[in-house]
Amino acid sequence: AQKITQTQPGMFVQEKEAVTLDCTYDTSDQSYGLFWYKQPSSGEMIFLIYQGSYDEQNATEGRYSLNFQKARKSANLVISASQLGDSAMYFCAMRGIYNQGGKLIFGQGTELSVKP
Amino acid sequence: EPEVTQTPSHQVTQMGQEVILRCVPISNHLYFYWYRQILGQKVEFLVSFYNNEISEKSEIFDDQFSVERPDGSNFTLKIRSTKLEDSAMYFCASSPDGVLNTEAFFGQGTRLTVV
Repeated sequence: AQKITQTQPGMFVQEKEAVTLDCTYDTSDQSYGLFWYKQPSSGEMIFLIYQGSYDEQNATEGRYSLNFQKARKSANLVISASQLGDSAMYFCAMRGIYNQGGKLIFGQGTELSVKP
Repeated sequence: EPEVTQTPSHQVTQMGQEVILRCVPISNHLYFYWYRQILGQKVEFLVSFYNNEISEKSEIFDDQFSVERPDGSNFTLKIRSTKLEDSAMYFCASSPDGVLNTEAFFGQGTRLTVV
């Protein structure tokens, strides 16, 4: 079975500072993908970044980067230069190679609040 | 930019009534999904659909639930006899394929309230 754990229910960060949102996972699959989604208060789910289990480099997308530590089974999201618009729920999710049809398993989420 | 569209955005229904939630996935996508998010909780997988049949379903997706792709563009979730605990945000998602590195594109959600 696959499991995603996000241990930080809420985080605060000062505008323009960097913040790390934690995500650990558990899977017996050799190949898997890790995703981060942002959910603002309006409710939609916005894809941020992807990391494959065999990718040797950490993924980056603009201000988002993923600190992937495979041996520790962690895939932490780093947001640099936080902006007020970054205030939202953030979900870590996983897809395994044996997931028929490619379903995503989500963590509990972390609510990020950016202070001016 | 293509997007997944869900209707309605909000639905209030009486307990025991049937509801149909509608989705129009991105046109060239092959995999379709429904997820549920009870208020303040995590997003939970309900069902995946490929090649006109269910490819996987979760324990939540019991006999009260069904999915259909009636006309090649719409993808619907039907709840036959709603219960109070079905109140949640329901997300439709689609992917061009089911491989590891393909993101799922989510609709904006339908907030279902059962009273």
